Amino acid sequence: DAGVIQSPRHEVTEMGQEVTLRCKPISGHDYLFWYRQTMMRGLELLIYFNNNVPIDDSGMPEDRFSAKMPNASFSTLKIQPSEPRDSAVYFCASSFAFQGNYEQYFGPGTRLTVT
Amino acid sequence: DQQVKQNSPSLSVQEGRISILNCDYTNSMFDYFLWYKKYPAEGPTFLISISSIKDKNEDGRFTVFLNKSAKHLSLHIVPSQPGDSAVYFCALGSARQLTFGSGTQLTVLP
Repeated sequence: DAGVIQSPRHEVTEMGQEVTLRCKPISGHDYLFWYRQTMMRGLELLIYFNNNVPIDDSGMPEDRFSAKMPNASFSTLKIQPSEPRDSAVYFCASSFAFQGNYEQYFGPGTRLTVT
Repeated sequence: DQQVKQNSPSLSVQEGRISILNCDYTNSMFDYFLWYKKYPAEGPTFLISISSIKDKNEDGRFTVFLNKSAKHLSLHIVPSQPGDSAVYFCALGSARQLTFGSGTQLTVLP
């Protein structure tokens, strides 16, 4: 299996621009999670989906952030407009309902730099 | 309000000795406790887990201990190897969500 795939791996953009991060979960997994990692806040959950439906978006920092999952094999996290404080590593993870210990499988991350 | 704390940001251990990583939590709602390992420029990878109804789980060189009364979780690695050098996160599970600690950078010295 290819594992969780994220693109791009690195993104550098200017303040005010729109940024779209992409994720392909492991086939057959029915949960998808978006995390952000920063030095100050560590690894924090932004939003998660179950069967393509957003379940909890309480971690999304503000209205500039939005996430979609149009089908079981694709999700996007969009930031519009981007700000320097959005600079972080963004991880996508997936899991399946019968994973009893709640183990999540992480992608390699997207390093976002907003100048 | 930090529900999960890893109070040691870093730990250095000699190769062949035991590494002990610690994690404290405040809420009793968690029903699974996991450890992840993370190398630079990679995503976290699962290492070992324990259910809330157990107090010990072992997998090769890795053993996780859970002390529910003290709300304390630990990971023992013995013997430690240079390839174990990484950031270790504890992650506590409830309702399919994981809450992560801040991580401990383990360095195993040859």
